Amino acid sequence: GESVGLHLPTLSVQEGDNSIINCAYSNSASDYFIWYKQESGKGPQFIIDIRSNMDKRQGQRVTVLLNKTVKHLSLQIAATQPGDSAVYFCAENTPSGTYKYIFGTGTRLKVLA
Amino acid sequence: GAVVSQHPSWVICKSGTSVKIECRSLDFQATTMFWYRQFPKQSLMLMATSNEGSKATYEQGVEKDKFLINHASLTLSTLTVTSAHPEDSSFYICSARTGLQPQHFGDGTRLSIL
Repeated sequence: GESVGLHLPTLSVQEGDNSIINCAYSNSASDYFIWYKQESGKGPQFIIDIRSNMDKRQGQRVTVLLNKTVKHLSLQIAATQPGDSAVYFCAENTPSGTYKYIFGTGTRLKVLA
Repeated sequence: GAVVSQHPSWVICKSGTSVKIECRSLDFQATTMFWYRQFPKQSLMLMATSNEGSKATYEQGVEKDKFLINHASLTLSTLTVTSAHPEDSSFYICSARTGLQPQHFGDGTRLSIL
């Protein structure tokens, strides 16, 4: 959904552990979902995507899970590293033909040494 | 691949001046470019969608006369903040896409109006 908060939820994870970042999306008709990583002062960087006809997709050290029943998306990062510290946003593609994205509120991931 | 360059990365100007921000897709032709605004510790808010050669489509609440968008080629879109005031200070980010590919983002422009 759209962000209205003034501060981001934070997930603190020990280096080497797995991270799970969750996202609730807003539109049951959305057909495409993306996870982005945003480091301070930079633009969002594409991590992984998934189409609505799939429920799981794996990349390098990352896995995205999609549960359409409850409109839930998650990003799993294996063996979290200090360089993974950033804000993570999920985005849903609205099926309007314009390929506009609705961004989630974001989660700050802090990796503890 | 899929590199989007945004310029300038940071600008400070006096109230009442106009500021132009450029967004370029460096290694692909962007059929659509998007302009977002981001406040500190918040998510990205879509301002407008820009297709090459046609007028931009603005989101509800975004003043088209305030935020002028030009998408003259498949690799360049510009956002001009006209008669900028302190409340226009923000982080502006563009993205570009082609076909069914995901949007790729520039590194943003931090605009500070004194």
